Amino acid sequence: EIVLTQSPGTLSLSPGERATLSCRASQSVSSSYLAWYQQKPGQAPRFLIYDASSRATGIPDRFSGSGSGTDFTLTISRLEPEDFAVYYCQQYASAPRTFGQGTKVEIK
Amino acid sequence: EVQLVESGGGLVQPGGSLRLSCAASGFTFSSYSMNWVRQAPGKGLECVSFISASSTAMHYADSVKGRFTISRDNAKNSLYLQMNSLRAEDTAVYYCARGTHSGSWLIDYWGQGTLVTVSS
Repeated sequence: EIVLTQSPGTLSLSPGERATLSCRASQSVSSSYLAWYQQKPGQAPRFLIYDASSRATGIPDRFSGSGSGTDFTLTISRLEPEDFAVYYCQQYASAPRTFGQGTKVEIK
Repeated sequence: EVQLVESGGGLVQPGGSLRLSCAASGFTFSSYSMNWVRQAPGKGLECVSFISASSTAMHYADSVKGRFTISRDNAKNSLYLQMNSLRAEDTAVYYCARGTHSGSWLIDYWGQGTLVTVSS
């Protein structure tokens, strides 16, 4: 099973600042089959990024993903008020599909 | 617009059973794989089960294998999860989620979830 470790656990930033979230895999994620999701309290997750760096339909270009192998990053270039949420990475390269434990981006 | 609406959650005693349903609309249901993903209160996400578009492939998390059964009815645009021998640790919000194509493991759309509480 591929274990995904996200860091930091919580990121305290102000609107307009840049957010950098990390997702590290216990073994290489083949074909960079790594996705990112955003979840706000009481809501379902929202699909942001797939194949490590491709934005899902309708996702603003301030969200970008990068990485390969075991190290992946989600970057939000300039935080908008609606971006404060919990972010999860997920690998869909091998069974069982696994999620990271999440990074909370909170308002400083 | 893709819509996924779960139902069937509720309070059940340990050892009991529950059947979750998911009604899909806004897309050609028979062309997409489907999933159940759960989230325990205050916790992260766990993929529970997967079914391909034509039901030829099904996967389960080890934590539910032998107790849960996923199925779908493409004629009714519906996904199901039969949950037997429920345990306290199965308490969670259960999300119905769509794959990006017929055999895909990648999830793009999620329902709002239905809460399952296992308690005496």
